[in-house]
Amino acid sequence: VQLLESGGGLVQPGGSLRLSCAASGFTFTSYVMTWFRQAPGKGVEWVSAIGNAGGSTFYADSVRGRFTISRDTSKNTLYLQMTSLRADDTAVYYCAKGGPGLDMFFNDWGQGTLVSVSS
Amino acid sequence: EVVLTQSPATLSLSPGERATLSCRASQNVSNYLAWYQQKPGQAPRLLIYDASNRATGIPARFSGSGSGTDFTLSISSLEPEDFAVYFCQQRLNWPPLTFGGGTKVEIK
Repeated sequence: VQLLESGGGLVQPGGSLRLSCAASGFTFTSYVMTWFRQAPGKGVEWVSAIGNAGGSTFYADSVRGRFTISRDTSKNTLYLQMTSLRADDTAVYYCAKGGPGLDMFFNDWGQGTLVSVSS
Repeated sequence: EVVLTQSPATLSLSPGERATLSCRASQNVSNYLAWYQQKPGQAPRLLIYDASNRATGIPARFSGSGSGTDFTLSISSLEPEDFAVYFCQQRLNWPPLTFGGGTKVEIK
């Protein structure tokens, strides 16, 4: 299993960014996919999740209305479109998946991509 | 939202000692609680799920217990590679999925 995030970088407040998570080594359509983030020196925060068929999406209150999660099954890729970015969105963003019997616990994580929101 | 409170914030121990970490939930989460280990610059690693089941490849010195609102992660004899930050996470009442604030296990 491999999850490879990309798309992070430095963006000004109010700007937008799209993160990608390229998945391989497993049947992408069989699993709920999830984004987490971790601000520098802080704990882990759940951001968003998408059902295996892509029809169900879930968001943390802190990002609802600003972030959109999606998945492209033809490319085995998960996305997080982020708009109206704020300084407190600065974090390392991870994509993750669970495994058989794990439900919403996560045994596979990407290496993370850093998003910095600053003027 | 389920709030998870971990204690202590920092645990200072020597290699070979036993570590006992606590995670308390603000409401009953049954046994739907996991523990993760995180080292600097790395993603979290799943250690324990459903309160007491070791994830694949996790050494037997790691064990989890508890149900309802009070949970414990124990490391029977600390190895040098076990010094890290540990987080608990619940999945019973989501969204949102929630994590505790973490316990840092440091070398005394």
